[in-house]
Amino acid sequence: EAGVAQSPRYKIIEKRQSVAFWCNPISGHATLYWYQQILGQGPKLLIQFQNNGVVDDSQLPKDRFSAERLKGVDSTLKIQPAKLEDSAVYLCASSPTGPGDEQYFGPGTRLTVT
Amino acid sequence: GEDVEQSLFLSVREGDSSVINCTYTDSSSTYLYWYKQEPGAGLQLLTYIFSNMDMKQDQRLTVLLNKKDKHLSLRIADTQTGDSAIYFCAEIPTTTDKLIFGTGTRLQVFP
Repeated sequence: EAGVAQSPRYKIIEKRQSVAFWCNPISGHATLYWYQQILGQGPKLLIQFQNNGVVDDSQLPKDRFSAERLKGVDSTLKIQPAKLEDSAVYLCASSPTGPGDEQYFGPGTRLTVT
Repeated sequence: GEDVEQSLFLSVREGDSSVINCTYTDSSSTYLYWYKQEPGAGLQLLTYIFSNMDMKQDQRLTVLLNKKDKHLSLRIADTQTGDSAIYFCAEIPTTTDKLIFGTGTRLQVFP
């Protein structure tokens, strides 16, 4: 069974530029999560999708971050415009039904904003 | 509250036991988890414990839960260099229904 795929693995941009990350969850998993992990901290949930609907985006900075999962499969997370404090690893995870299931994590995208 | 705290760093000699500690504030969680993160890799679920249990053993891993003190620990027996990683405890409070991670403990194993 293929794991959660993410791309790119690394991205360096200047502040005020835009960036997009892509995630392909494990086949058949209904729930998809995006986490932000700042260096030296644990991951923090940004947004949770159930199929193609948003379940929780309470910690997503909506003035600059957006995410979509149009067909209920893969997802993109966008930052526009980026700030220095957005430098972090962005992790995507998926689970079969919901948070109570085991979440399977992708390798992450390391973003550096200069 | 949703704070989950861990000590930042632990260094042990190969073959010794490692004990990683975690304290949490929300007692509503049904399960508590331990994740492992190796450099450049995503998080891997190591083990979990149901909140009505005191202890769970899984090969070299032993999880102890003290609900009264809201304290969770992970013991790794016969620690190997391949165990070097960052370990996160995590919970899903029923009040939020989302996975809340601790700050992480970096385990370094030296020969």
